[in-house]
Amino acid sequence: GQQVMQIPQYQHVQEGEDFTTYCNSSTTLSNIQWYKQRPGGHPVFLIQLVKSGEVKKQKRLTFQFGEAKKNSSLHITATQTTDVGTYFCARPSYSGAGSYQLTFGKGTKLSVIP
Amino acid sequence: KAGVTQTPRYLIKTRGQQVTLSCSPISGHRSVSWYQQTPGQGLQFLFEYFSETQRNKGNFPGRFSGRQFSNSRSEMNVSTLELGDSALYLCASSLGQGALYEQYFGPGTRLTVT
Repeated sequence: GQQVMQIPQYQHVQEGEDFTTYCNSSTTLSNIQWYKQRPGGHPVFLIQLVKSGEVKKQKRLTFQFGEAKKNSSLHITATQTTDVGTYFCARPSYSGAGSYQLTFGKGTKLSVIP
Repeated sequence: KAGVTQTPRYLIKTRGQQVTLSCSPISGHRSVSWYQQTPGQGLQFLFEYFSETQRNKGNFPGRFSGRQFSNSRSEMNVSTLELGDSALYLCASSLGQGALYEQYFGPGTRLTVT
């Protein structure tokens, strides 16, 4: 019950097309984080969403947190080759004694065809 | 501000051996989390240390252990290595408990077990 499902697993787009990845949970999330990992690199924090219905923008990236706080999405407008990588969402999972661990989705691997 | 550093970057070990990996967090960060990343299982949480105490532990066998020093530097140890332990081991530091704060990842240690 503390997993997050990400879809799609892979996405190939033509440069200039839009891209969206979705993150779904069966339980309500207190917050959700998004990370990007370039090929051969390490995950880099993009954003954290906390409020129901929250929408945040970073240049061509738009992040949304669902009204029920059970899903989130990342949308990239007019993809560029620099957007290539794997995008992960991550949620806090309660591990007992007031502690939380970060549980990552499997990620969406984005390929951009120039 | 210097980023998270991990040593060594690459390691080749034989089954049955043990290995120690090191992580130096960003200055001022007291939380260090460790993750194992494989193509099949994705990013999996190993454990988190905060102020020299293990706060969380993931679902890994006791062969995986770690510790944190007073300067927040952390080490993880894997004993009796198995082929399946081949993976990218990532550490991440954060200001507070990792699941609630943005995490800054190091470049990782690529471990190959033969």
